[in-house]
Parts: sequence; structure tokens; C-alpha cells
Amino acid sequence: GQNIDQPTEMTATEGAIVQINCTYQTSGFNGLFWYQQHAGEAPTFLSYNVLDGLEEKGRFSSFLSRSKGYSYLLLKELQMKDSASYLCAVRVLIRDNYGQNFVFGPGTRLSVLP
Amino acid sequence: DAGITQSPRHKVTETGTPVTLRCHQTENHRYMYWYRQDPGHGLRLIHYSYGVKDTDKGEVSDGYSVSRSKTEDFLLTLESATSSQTSVYFCAISELAGARSYEQYFGPGTRLTVT
Repeated sequence: GQNIDQPTEMTATEGAIVQINCTYQTSGFNGLFWYQQHAGEAPTFLSYNVLDGLEEKGRFSSFLSRSKGYSYLLLKELQMKDSASYLCAVRVLIRDNYGQNFVFGPGTRLSVLP
Repeated sequence: DAGITQSPRHKVTETGTPVTLRCHQTENHRYMYWYRQDPGHGLRLIHYSYGVKDTDKGEVSDGYSVSRSKTEDFLLTLESATSSQTSVYFCAISELAGARSYEQYFGPGTRLTVT
């Protein structure tokens, strides 16, 4: 089966750094994605890792270790607008590489406090 | 922003009635997906399509059917709505993985209430 775990909730202070962890057990792994979702809105793409290591994008960085089935999203210089849910998703390939699905974790709700 | 729309955006219906939700894209992407999102469960895949007339079930497909007769449209039908199908439904699109990220783009969502 496919399984992805994330903490349910996290709280951090404005200006701080927060790390959101994601662990996964999937077959057909073909990339790990992070999405941000504000309340009442659709998820929007933040970052993507397919190889081990760190990808940096402004205040956001994402790390992947395929051997450990582990990823994290690092948010620096937190702002109030970063209060949202953060979804970890794994893309899995099926049906000889012309089928692909995205399996989502339950999401981590981050609250940024002043 | 990716060109993906959903209709209706809100719907209230009665138990036992059929309901059809529409997803429309202007990006010519190959893959289309229907998810439902409920508190405590995150996004769960209902059905997906990997081409015109090519569809397959996801993890929560019971009570739902889909059709894709054109690249741009993906329809989700609740054959006989039940209260357990009250949820927010998201459509998403993506392209083939290959060497690029080809992340999913999501529609704005449809809030469905079954009374």
C-alpha cells in the first residue's frame, strides 16, 4: 500500500524557521511534492524533489532522502501569511510509465503567531 | 495560473439524487484527477484519467463514476448521493512526468452538501 505521514499541527513565531517532516512508504516513487493550501482555497505548488538533496526556492527549501523515505519542508523568516496547511505528496508511476498518481499525506496545519 | 475550472462551485442536493460535477481545462494536459478533501483525511483520490476514454479507480471510488470524452473535460458523477459524500471536491491536472516536475494544478474546488 501507499502511506504518507506528516504531523497534524505545528505552531511557530513570526520571523522564525520551521521544519515540516514527511515520511512515506510507496511503490513506484517518481518524485515528492510540497503544496501549500490556505483555508477554503485550492492547493498550490511549492516545491519538487526527485533526487536526494536540498532544493531551495527563496524562503522555502525542501529536502529528500529516498533511501530513508523522508522529506522535509523548511520555511524561513516566517510571515503571518504562511499560516496554512502544507501537503506532502508522492508521485507514483503505474501502468508502464503512462499512468501516474499523486498520493497525499494528511497535511500539516501551520499557525504562525505574532 | 493554469486554466482549470470546476462547476458548480457550490451545490446542495438531497440524498438519493444523482449529481454531476464538471472539470474543464484549457492546458491540454493528459492527466486529470478527482479528489475529495475531508477534515482529518487530506486529499483522497476518487478516479483519474490518463487520456480520452481512459480512466481508472482511486482509493475511494465506491459510489462515483467518471467520464472523459474530450481532453478538456472530466466529469464526476455521484450516482445516488449519500450524506457521506458531503465534501469538498477538487479536480487536478498534470502532464507526463519525464524529466520535468509537471506538478499538479488544482481547480478551485466544489463544495457539495448532501442533505
